[in-house]
Amino acid sequence: EPEVTQTPSHQVTQMGQEVILRCVPISNHLYFYWYRQILGQKVEFLVSFYNNEISEKSEIFDDQFSVERPDGSNFTLKIRSTKLEDSAMYFCASSDPRGDGYTFGSGTRLTVV
Amino acid sequence: AQRVTQPEKLLSVFKGAPVELKCNYSYSGSPELFWYVQYSRQRLQLLLRHISRESIKGFTADLNKGETSFHLKKPFAQEEDSAMYYCALRYGGSQGNLIFGKGTKLSVKP
Repeated sequence: EPEVTQTPSHQVTQMGQEVILRCVPISNHLYFYWYRQILGQKVEFLVSFYNNEISEKSEIFDDQFSVERPDGSNFTLKIRSTKLEDSAMYFCASSDPRGDGYTFGSGTRLTVV
Repeated sequence: AQRVTQPEKLLSVFKGAPVELKCNYSYSGSPELFWYVQYSRQRLQLLLRHISRESIKGFTADLNKGETSFHLKKPFAQEEDSAMYYCALRYGGSQGNLIFGKGTKLSVKP
């Protein structure tokens, strides 16, 4: 069964550093998403991406965040200057053209120290 | 605004007992509801969507528009059902975004 792949599985970074979280969506999917889950809290929407541009973003997705599809396979989330409160699990997801439902990656646990 | 409420943080039952995980939603449009499951240290997996009206792993969920609910049920819980369960609402059409509830941790004891 096709999977959404995320790397790394765990990243530790110092406050103020830039991080890039990587995702490889399912190959025939056209819609891509990032969600995050702070420990003990619910899964929150960050951003959706289609046709090489952002479709929608939440209020969490401020100027420190950006997304990119640098080639035909990767979908990245960049945090320019990390803060302690950015520590969370970050999930990538992709959706097929029929919209049958998302497929989530296994997540990247980001720890900002 | 869209909202999904799962009132129980933790639900603990014995093996073989019936299970009902509650989910209520608030949405002015026509809702698409989903249940996702997250086993320990694994990814979120789609369990059910209301449109397909299917039963997966013995779980069912019926959309009740009058009560704005989408409760997840299973008549006989198994130990392997222990996991986090998230109810989610999709808005904005078939490629819209998901709003998640806070999740309910189901613990099935032997």
